[in-house]
Amino acid sequence: EDKVVQSPLSLVVHEGDTVTLNCSYEVTNFRSLLWYKQEKKAPTFLFMLTSSGIEKKSGRLSSILDKKELFSILNITATQTGDSAVYLCAVNNDMRFGAGTRLTVKP
Amino acid sequence: DAGITQSPRHKVTETGTPVTLRCHQTENHRYMYWYRQDPGHGLRLIHYSYGVKDTDKGEVSDGYSVSRSKTEDFLLTLESATSSQTSVYFCATTGFEGLQYFGPGTRLTVT
Repeated sequence: EDKVVQSPLSLVVHEGDTVTLNCSYEVTNFRSLLWYKQEKKAPTFLFMLTSSGIEKKSGRLSSILDKKELFSILNITATQTGDSAVYLCAVNNDMRFGAGTRLTVKP
Repeated sequence: DAGITQSPRHKVTETGTPVTLRCHQTENHRYMYWYRQDPGHGLRLIHYSYGVKDTDKGEVSDGYSVSRSKTEDFLLTLESATSSQTSVYFCATTGFEGLQYFGPGTRLTVT
């Protein structure tokens, strides 16, 4: 059965810390992996990854995919309280989501 | 947000009553999805559509049906609502570049 597993499920850090969120997957017919940030409303898109080893960056956020080991990581450097959210990953074959990582950044 | 709207945004209904949620998109996207989101489960796919009158089941489809008679509308129906279907429901579409866009969500409470 296809599955997407995120870890940790929750994480509490202080402003300025660097965090790494993990997403592993076992799916058939893999096409791409997507990361989303969800605050109080609908998820908003962060990154789409299709190729191994190519880092995607947006400001303090970056992500990379390893198609051999079947996982992706999302890094956030110099965290801010505004980074507090649930981070979701999804695999774009049947759009299966992981349970999410709840990140809390304390001042 | 790719022009996705959901209606209603909030609904309270009683056990056993039928409920229909509507998703409307203005981007002419081919793929549309219905998810439910519950604490500890993330987003779980209920049904999806890959074209007008073309739909398929997701991982939690029991108790739900869908219809897509026009490209822009995707309806989710709970034939006889149960308390276990209390959830937040999100509609989504996939754009031509493969990115998924979400509607604002519908909070459904079944009493």
